[in-house]
Amino acid sequence: GAGVSQSPSNKVTEKGKDVELRCDPISGHTALYWYRQSLGQGLEFLIYFQGNSAPDKSGLPSDRFSAERTGESVSTLTIQRTQQEDSAVYLCASSRGGGIYEQYFGPGTRLTVT
Amino acid sequence: GESVGLHLPTLSVQEGDNSIINCAYSNSASDYFIWYKQESGKGPQFIIDIRSNMDKRQGQRVTVLLNKTVKHLSLQIAATQPGDSAVYFCAENLGDSWGKLQFGAGTQVVVTP
Repeated sequence: GAGVSQSPSNKVTEKGKDVELRCDPISGHTALYWYRQSLGQGLEFLIYFQGNSAPDKSGLPSDRFSAERTGESVSTLTIQRTQQEDSAVYLCASSRGGGIYEQYFGPGTRLTVT
Repeated sequence: GESVGLHLPTLSVQEGDNSIINCAYSNSASDYFIWYKQESGKGPQFIIDIRSNMDKRQGQRVTVLLNKTVKHLSLQIAATQPGDSAVYFCAENLGDSWGKLQFGAGTQVVVTP
């Protein structure tokens, strides 16, 4: 079956512009996660959606970052007024539930802010 | 194979040898731990997990050991193969959520012929 997909795979943007990153989770997965991975680093948790519950936004680094999820499907991560330090790979994962379920990761979106 | 902590970013191991990757986790309240493998240009892939009520769990060619006393986690890979070359991350659950994970910095495993 189809895995988690993300688009675009690469995004180059100028400092100060807004960007939107998309994640299509595995069908039927109620939980969706966004992480950020800087070069040579581990993953940093950003935000977590579980079903119809309010998202856990505790990992968002600033108010320039926001994310939405349509029901239990597509999610969009938006970064406003991008800064060079936002350059990273943004990874999305989904799982069958919000508990101890394997998280399946997408290939990521590589964001470069010039 | 040799045992290294995540403070040393690269582990070189000969094909066929066993690999041991170590991880020191930070939160004594964490009760769920996972190992992920990440190949270049791809997202992390689940390898094996363990809950805090266990100290050992085995999978296919992999074993995870958990020592809660010293907050230490290790991944053992038996008969390492070229396809095992990747970056390996340990992760622990954050706070009161099973799903929110905190990842370590990663260890690059390089398998040499």
